[in-house]
Amino acid sequence: DTGVSQNPRHKITKRGQNVTFRCDPISEHNRLYWYRQTLGQGPEFLTYFQNEAQLEKSRLLSDRFSAERPKGSFSTLEIQRTEQGDSAMYLCASSLAGRDYEQYFGPGTRLTVT
Amino acid sequence: DQQVKQNSPSLSVQEGRISILNCDYTNSMFDYFLWYKKYPAEGPTFLISISSIKDKNEDGRFTVFLNKSAKHLSLHIVPSQPGDSAVYFCAASRPYSGAGSYQLTFGKGTKLSVIP
Repeated sequence: DTGVSQNPRHKITKRGQNVTFRCDPISEHNRLYWYRQTLGQGPEFLTYFQNEAQLEKSRLLSDRFSAERPKGSFSTLEIQRTEQGDSAMYLCASSLAGRDYEQYFGPGTRLTVT
Repeated sequence: DQQVKQNSPSLSVQEGRISILNCDYTNSMFDYFLWYKKYPAEGPTFLISISSIKDKNEDGRFTVFLNKSAKHLSLHIVPSQPGDSAVYFCAASRPYSGAGSYQLTFGKGTKLSVIP
């Protein structure tokens, strides 16, 4: 399967703990995006990478959130000191340069903060 | 302020009939529009897109219509099949101009149920 993959698929954590999610994009895609989706809403943009450079961050991305894409391949999204409001589906997408509008999504990581 | 709106949370259609899903947007800077389909426990799957320079794009059973003056687009599925039952999201993007570029702005989705 050459689609976008995300791990873990589900994560349950206690409030105050740190969590890290991983995204592996489609191999030839140089752009990678993180979105968050809560119940009854569409995905909301969090941040975007072109190769290893993080070029844009949404105001939704508080200081407790950090994302990296160290070698321009996979990416990680870390949430420190989780809060119940962080409970959501975290989606990763990738796109090919020149076809940036067509973003291909992974299955998501569902985070539950108790 | 919701820039992309899908005002119908749900739609039920008989198998074989046409499904029409609607989407309105408020930001005139949007120049590219997409439809995604989402099954439970999966990520959104890209379905079809349209550039603002066109008013129609067709791919098999799926056709997207864009009315720029009304800031409205619609997705037609003909004929509808039970496997089309999913949540459909409308999304929009702006041309590259720095901040805000490339990110997709999504509506809240419409749940389509195709009844056999």
